[in-house]
Amino acid sequence: DQQVKQNSPSLSVQEGRISILNCDYTNSMFDYFLWYKKYPAEGPTFLISISSIKDKNEDGRFTVFLNKSAKHLSLHIVPSQPGDSAVYFCAANYNQGGKLIFGQGTELSVKP
Amino acid sequence: DADVTQTPRNRITKTGKRIMLECSQTKGHDRMYWYRQDPGLGLRLIYYSFDVKDINKGEISDGYSVSRQAQAKFSLSLESAIPNQTALYFCATSDPSGQITDTQYFGPGTRLTVL
Repeated sequence: DQQVKQNSPSLSVQEGRISILNCDYTNSMFDYFLWYKKYPAEGPTFLISISSIKDKNEDGRFTVFLNKSAKHLSLHIVPSQPGDSAVYFCAANYNQGGKLIFGQGTELSVKP
Repeated sequence: DADVTQTPRNRITKTGKRIMLECSQTKGHDRMYWYRQDPGLGLRLIYYSFDVKDINKGEISDGYSVSRQAQAKFSLSLESAIPNQTALYFCATSDPSGQITDTQYFGPGTRLTVL
């Protein structure tokens, strides 16, 4: 049973426009959510996170929104740049348990 | 130098062979993890260790074993490799007292092919 789902395997966006990556979860116990970015031939790198006590967290061009009632989070990238082309994974955990549950990933392609 | 290193980076082996993947870290973190990545399935946790004396099974531990030789070293073994263990394997570390809770730092990965 996939507790964290990214239903869009891929997304293509024009440079300068907004990229919106979505993630849904089923476990209401999750209290911390993270986004990771992965380039080919590299390991995932941490991008941004949000605690369940917040509904928004912003870091430069990246903003994560959390809608607890819908069990949904999204990552907004504005403006999108070609260097943002990568696979993005959302992940969740609870009670600082250390274990992360990952979604399947969404491959973002930003075209010049 | 990379904080989390994995060896080998690529490995091709045959069914039935024993394989060991090694992970070393210089971050000083107590917690270490092994994941595998398969297309369309994301990253799935194989084993994790919260300190040298602590080893726990993850979501998909069957067919795998681990050894935590020191705080800095965490090895993953496939006792008898089979083709469906062909995947990309990642090691990760985390610090529960870190500024950003549960952020995990990943190595570059090992691409394993079992023929």
